[in-house]
Amino acid sequence: GQNIDQPTEMTATEGAIVQINCTYQTSGFNGLFWYQQHAGEAPTFLSYNVLDGLEEKGRFSSFLSRSKGYSYLLLKELQMKDSASYLCAVRNAGNNRKLIWGLGTSLAVNP
Amino acid sequence: GAVVSQHPSWVICKSGTSVKIECRSLDFQATTMFWYRQFPKQSLMLMATSNEGSKATYEQGVEKDKFLINHASLTLSTLTVTSAHPEDSSFYICSARDYTSGNLYEQYFGPGTRLTVT
Repeated sequence: GQNIDQPTEMTATEGAIVQINCTYQTSGFNGLFWYQQHAGEAPTFLSYNVLDGLEEKGRFSSFLSRSKGYSYLLLKELQMKDSASYLCAVRNAGNNRKLIWGLGTSLAVNP
Repeated sequence: GAVVSQHPSWVICKSGTSVKIECRSLDFQATTMFWYRQFPKQSLMLMATSNEGSKATYEQGVEKDKFLINHASLTLSTLTVTSAHPEDSSFYICSARDYTSGNLYEQYFGPGTRLTVT
């Protein structure tokens, strides 16, 4: 079967660093995505990894290890507005290349 | 660029009626669009994949006769919830993939439509 696991909830302090982990077991792999979703809004794209290693984009970085089926999203210099749900998604290798979604990690940033 | 719109943003309807939700790619051509539904505090659930000019591919457990999808043009896909019931109340989100720009890896999401069936 296909499975994506990420923690349900995390709490962090403003200005700190937080790492959100994601492990996956899928029948195929064609990239891993991280999306941010605020309550009542649609997801917004954060990052994409298809090769092993770290991708850095401002305060956000994402890491991938395909051999371990593992990724993490690193958020630095946390701000209150970073309080949101963070969704990990894996794109399969089929013809339709649909995304398989994790349940999301709800991050609360406290002052 | 790469903007996806949805209409309406929210709708309230009576049980037994049908509701149509539109998803438009405003500045690119979307050969493939995806329809998701999301219940409170849950992740996105893919309902169907819509390809322009062909029948939609529905995920297991999604009733194709209840959730009618039409992707008649490269910029418009519609989802019609037929004979809606209160359990259909949810947040419906569409996304579109832009093949022409080279951004093959990204799906662009619409703002979502909140459906409440009374």
